[in-house]
Amino acid sequence: DIQLTQSPSAVSASAGDRVTISCRASQDISNWLAWYQQKPGKAPKLLISSASNLQFGVPTRFSGSGSGTDFTLTISSLQPEDFATYYCQEASSFPLLTFGGGTKVEMK
Amino acid sequence: EVQLVESGGGLVQPGGSLRLSCAGSGFTFSSFNTYWMNWVRQSPGKGLEWVANIKQDGTEKNYVDSVSGRFTISRDNAKNSLYLEINSLRAEDTAVYYCASGTYYFDNWGQGTLVTVSS
Repeated sequence: DIQLTQSPSAVSASAGDRVTISCRASQDISNWLAWYQQKPGKAPKLLISSASNLQFGVPTRFSGSGSGTDFTLTISSLQPEDFATYYCQEASSFPLLTFGGGTKVEMK
Repeated sequence: EVQLVESGGGLVQPGGSLRLSCAGSGFTFSSFNTYWMNWVRQSPGKGLEWVANIKQDGTEKNYVDSVSGRFTISRDNAKNSLYLEINSLRAEDTAVYYCASGTYYFDNWGQGTLVTVSS
């Protein structure tokens, strides 16, 4: 089974900061990775698919990179509405699917 | 705009059963029967866990190991509906259960339905 390890588990940042979140896979998953944003009490929202494909309507301050085992979600200039928890998810083992443990972006 | 609405959650005793439903609407460019459908759960204060998925025509079903043999996913394309039959419930099954559309990634989500397993 593929394991996804996100780091850090939480990050404190201020509006305008650049934030990077890491997701490491236990084996090569090519670019079969997505990123989701979840706000308290709400369903997750798909931000990025296939490691770097920004979904329609998602602000361009979000970007994804990486392939193989190491992936990064970057928020170039954190906005107040970006304080949330972010999850990565792999699809290389489809039809079985796995999420990372999550990274909470908190206000400093 | 695609909308998914779950129902059927509630308080159930350990060992009990529930049937969750997910009603889909607003499939304008592609119909419900062109999507793989999924159930994803989230225990209180915890992360997301993919639970099960089902192919467009219902011929293939897959489960995370922890629920295999206890949960059954099904769909009725004529009713744009997805179901999850959950049996032999355990305390660790307490979670918000979301339905989500998508094959490899989950592009549309419902608002979730809470299942609480407690005596």
